[in-house]
Amino acid sequence: EIVLTQSPATLPLSPGEGATLSCRASQSVSSSLAWYQQKPGQAPRLLIYDASNRATGIPARFSGSGSGTDFTLTISSLEPEDFAVYYCQQRSTWPFTFGQGTRLEIK
Amino acid sequence: EVQLEESGGGLVQPGGSLRLSCAASGFTFSSNWMSWVRQAPGKGLEWVANIKQDGSDKYYVDSVKGRFTISRDNAKNSLFLQMNSLRAEDTAVYYCARGGGTISYWGLGTLVTVSS
Repeated sequence: EIVLTQSPATLPLSPGEGATLSCRASQSVSSSLAWYQQKPGQAPRLLIYDASNRATGIPARFSGSGSGTDFTLTISSLEPEDFAVYYCQQRSTWPFTFGQGTRLEIK
Repeated sequence: EVQLEESGGGLVQPGGSLRLSCAASGFTFSSNWMSWVRQAPGKGLEWVANIKQDGSDKYYVDSVKGRFTISRDNAKNSLFLQMNSLRAEDTAVYYCARGGGTISYWGLGTLVTVSS
């Protein structure tokens, strides 16, 4: 099973600041990685697929990069609605797995 | 508008069974892989199972193999998860999801609680 390790676990930032979230895979997943956002009491929402492609309706301030084992989700300038938990997920090898999440919180 | 509506969750004793259903609308159900993903209270996400468009291929995470069965009825735009021999560690919100590898849409989820 491919293990995805996200860092940091918690990221305290202020609105307007930039955020960089990391996801490291225990073995190569090529570009088969997605990022999701989850707010309390809600289902997750797809942000990025195949490492760097924004999903439909996702603002341009969200961007993804990386390949192989190291991936990054960047939020260029945080809006109040961006404070949530973010998960990475690989679809390279079954079972598909998620990282443990990064909680983006207001400082 | 894509909609996925789960039903069938509830409280069940260890060793019991439940059948989850998902009613899909707003897209061509028969053209999409579908999945079930769960989230234990306060925890992260776990992919449980997925099923190919025609039901010919199914995959399960090891922890549910032999106990859970995913199925679909394309004529009724419905996805199912039959859960048998339930354990306390199966307690979670179960999400119906569109996609077999990347999930483009999620339902709101249904809570399954396994407890005596």
